Amino acid sequence: DAKTTQPTSMDCAEGRAANLPCNHSTISGNEYVYWYRQIHSQGPQYIIHGLKNNETNEMASLIITEDRKSSTLILPHATLRDTAVYYCIVTGTNAGKSTFGDGTTLTVKP
Amino acid sequence: NAGVTQTPKFQVLKTGQSMTLQCAQDMNHEYMSWYRQDPGMGLRLIHYSVGAGITDQGEVPNGYNVSRSTTEDFPLRLLSAAPSQTSVYFCASSYSFQGGYGYTFGSGTRLTVV
Repeated sequence: DAKTTQPTSMDCAEGRAANLPCNHSTISGNEYVYWYRQIHSQGPQYIIHGLKNNETNEMASLIITEDRKSSTLILPHATLRDTAVYYCIVTGTNAGKSTFGDGTTLTVKP
Repeated sequence: NAGVTQTPKFQVLKTGQSMTLQCAQDMNHEYMSWYRQDPGMGLRLIHYSVGAGITDQGEVPNGYNVSRSTTEDFPLRLLSAAPSQTSVYFCASSYSFQGGYGYTFGSGTRLTVV
């Protein structure tokens, strides 16, 4: 599976959009981009995933560049409860080997 | 529908003891995995299974055994506990090992080895 690179930490003002970037320059054609988040020491929570097209659900939007080498997770109106570690992972047919990096610590400030 | 259930939630072991961390899911997911998370770190894959009777190693398998006799259960066994195995252990499951399906995680087992 392709490796990902994320910033270590980011801040966001409450009510503003949080844009979390992820680089995955070695992604291959059949690999998906997934985003998860982990609040405090809870189990990670699935947010969204995509292959080529941009995706949106009730939690977030995922923007994938045309060359698929990077993506951005967008939380449209961040709240204090969105403070968490956000993980971007790339996985394909061998999802069993999915590895998580250190993620981005997002702090939403009042 | 309980999702992924891990037991126990907390455990203290003495060095050299063995124990089994339990993981069960009721979603009929084929794929299950075990991760460990050390303080301030990301998750590291220990072992995974793509179906009953099939298991494979992840990044950090040493000191751990797994078996998958049923679709629902995927226990993780610590053979001889060491302080380096102090960590939070998460179990996860997914509908398929193919891409396109997200993982559901359990709430974790917090293990301390003294």
